[in-house]
Amino acid sequence: GAVVSQHPSRVICKSGTSVKIECRSLDFQATTMFWYRQFPKQSLMLMATSNEGSKATYEQGVEKDKFLINHASLTLSTLTVTSAHPEDSSFYICSASSGGAYEQYFGPGTRLTVT
Amino acid sequence: AQTVTQSQPEMSVQEAETVTLSCTYDTSESDYYLFWYKQPPSRQMILVIRQEAYKQQNATENRFSVNFQKAAKSFSLKISDSQLGDAAMYFCAYRETGANSKLTFGKGITLSVRP
Repeated sequence: GAVVSQHPSRVICKSGTSVKIECRSLDFQATTMFWYRQFPKQSLMLMATSNEGSKATYEQGVEKDKFLINHASLTLSTLTVTSAHPEDSSFYICSASSGGAYEQYFGPGTRLTVT
Repeated sequence: AQTVTQSQPEMSVQEAETVTLSCTYDTSESDYYLFWYKQPPSRQMILVIRQEAYKQQNATENRFSVNFQKAAKSFSLKISDSQLGDAAMYFCAYRETGANSKLTFGKGITLSVRP
């Protein structure tokens, strides 16, 4: 089946620094990738949608300059949290779609802690 | 805009018993997809079952089945012979049919299974 990986699984960074999270589709070409944020015991909140080779589309209220998304290839999308602050601490999940399929395949998530 | 409503935040079921999780949604589309996802403590999102709106037959996957009522915009999940491993957070989700359409999630329900 379709597998999506995320790296790192956990990261701790200091306030003011930037951190990059990678999302890879391992056995299929992901024309579209989605980035979600999830707080404990809450639902997934879509942050942005990225299509390979084009700019990401951000959801209302998500700061595009703070959450930089790059989808440089059909197997890799990255989310960079710039100038991270403690309120950015959260669980970040990516998912990938191959376009024709009606299903999204989810990565295992990345727990970000900003100290 | 499409909305997905899961009004019950928590439910509990006795092992080996049956439980039904409720979900309603709102859309003006006639064709779409509906999903139930499971998120165990590992936080990996797992697809439980999907339903295409154009299909009248309710989807079934082993112990999991849905009751899809299109006119009522209702999509409930029935778990039969509940097992301890079914304990998780369950999310109902809606997706339009367009390629690379985003998922709209409900708030989720936490299911506990009593031994």
